[in-house]
Amino acid sequence: NAGVTQTPKFRVLKTGQSMTLLCAQDMNHEYMYWYRQDPGMGLRLIHYSVGEGTTAKGEVPDGYNVSRLKKQNFLLGLESAAPSQTSVYFCASRGRQAMNTEAFFGQGTRLTVV
Amino acid sequence: GEDVEQSLFLSVREGDSSVINCTYTDSSSTYLYWYKQEPGAGLQLLTYIFSNMDMKQDQRLTVLLNKKDKHLSLRIADTQTGDSAIYFCAETSNSGYSTLTFGKGTMLLVSP
Repeated sequence: NAGVTQTPKFRVLKTGQSMTLLCAQDMNHEYMYWYRQDPGMGLRLIHYSVGEGTTAKGEVPDGYNVSRLKKQNFLLGLESAAPSQTSVYFCASRGRQAMNTEAFFGQGTRLTVV
Repeated sequence: GEDVEQSLFLSVREGDSSVINCTYTDSSSTYLYWYKQEPGAGLQLLTYIFSNMDMKQDQRLTVLLNKKDKHLSLRIADTQTGDSAIYFCAETSNSGYSTLTFGKGTMLLVSP
């Protein structure tokens, strides 16, 4: 079982460059999320999706865009990277049913913007 | 919006019990969770409790929920060095099961 897979695992960008982080899940989950983790800040929700073709803003959406064209994939885009976007990014997924309580996390993408 | 607060650091000796505390503000919280993050890894679900429960026990883990005070705790019995990690409290509210709100995490350091 692959679970939730994030690519890439590491990336260094120059200020102003763009990139896309890919999250793929093989559990047929409806809900998918992108979080960023910064020291002392915990996990903050960037964007999320409750199904194919739908996305919504989380707590810290500015500077990011997302797409969910296929149910299994959730893409996070940075159009013009800034040093403030240096962080570890986690993708997660979970099922829709109330009793499917567990969110499964990817291993993270460590992004440095210089 | 919802807020989840945790103490940032806890240090215990191997074999002792650890208690990690969490408070939350959303009175409509339905599920409350404890996740564990080991260095360089993603988060793994340890346990969860439904809001109509007061206590849940799972092997060395005991979760206590005080709904009146909006206080959640995680007790780890016989703490081992392998329990050293960051522990996150999280909640989902009645407004939708779609989002999880996390605390900032408690770093647990277990010394031999």
